[in-house]
Amino acid sequence: DAGVIQSPRHEVTEMGQEVTLRCKPISGHDYLFWYRQTMMRGLELLIYFNNNVPIDDSGMPEDRFSAKMPNASFSTLKIQPSEPRDSAVYFCASSLEFVRDTTDTQYFGPGTRLTVL
Amino acid sequence: AQSVTQPDIHITVSEGASLELRCNYSYGATPYLFWYVQSPGQGLQLLLKYFSGDTLVQGIKGFEAEFKRSQSSFNLRKPSVHWSDAAEYFCAVGYSGAGSYQLTFGKGTKLSVIP
Repeated sequence: DAGVIQSPRHEVTEMGQEVTLRCKPISGHDYLFWYRQTMMRGLELLIYFNNNVPIDDSGMPEDRFSAKMPNASFSTLKIQPSEPRDSAVYFCASSLEFVRDTTDTQYFGPGTRLTVL
Repeated sequence: AQSVTQPDIHITVSEGASLELRCNYSYGATPYLFWYVQSPGQGLQLLLKYFSGDTLVQGIKGFEAEFKRSQSSFNLRKPSVHWSDAAEYFCAVGYSGAGSYQLTFGKGTKLSVIP
C-alpha cells in the first residue's frame, strides 16, 4: 500500500486566497484525521471523520476552515480566505475502525507545508 | 481533559550512549499510549504503542517504552543511540468513548546526536 497520500507537499499563497489541501487515506481505513503542526502549538487535531461523516470538528480554528470527505478515498481541507497565521504543516492520518476497549494506529501522510504571505 | 507533557524540548546525546525521553500524561481512564518519530520534512512514524498487558513495550528501531501507572509516565528508551535517530519524538495519548476517538500529542522532544 502507498500509505496516506497528501497533495500538494508545499503550497505558497497570498493572504485572502483560497487554499485546498487534499488527502487520500489508506484503503480500507474507516477513520480520517486532519492535524495542524506549528512551532507554537505543536500538533493539533482539527477534525476527524468516520466512514466519511465528520464526527468532531471542535478543533477547527475558525469558520474559514472547512473539511469534506465525499467518499472513502478522498478528503479535502479548505481555508477561505487564508491568513498568514494559517501557515503551518497540515497532516492527514487514517486508521482502521476501532473496537471498544481497543484502538488502532494512526498512519500519517507526509504533510503539506502551507505558507501564507 | 487529557494532556501530555514532554518536559524536555531538546536533548543532545553522543552516538552509542543510552537515551531516555520522558513523557507524562493526564487522563482519567486507562490510556492508550504511543510514541511517534518525525524526521525533518517527514510525517510521523509510529515507534511503539501500549494498550494493555505487559508494561514494557518493544518497538521498531530498537526502542522500548515502559508504562508506569503510578507515575503516569510512558518514557521512551534506547540502550545505544545511532546518528540516524536524530529526529523529533512525540508522545501521544489516545482515548475512545461515546463513539469518539482522538489522539492528544505532546509538544515533542528534539533529539540531536553527536558523532
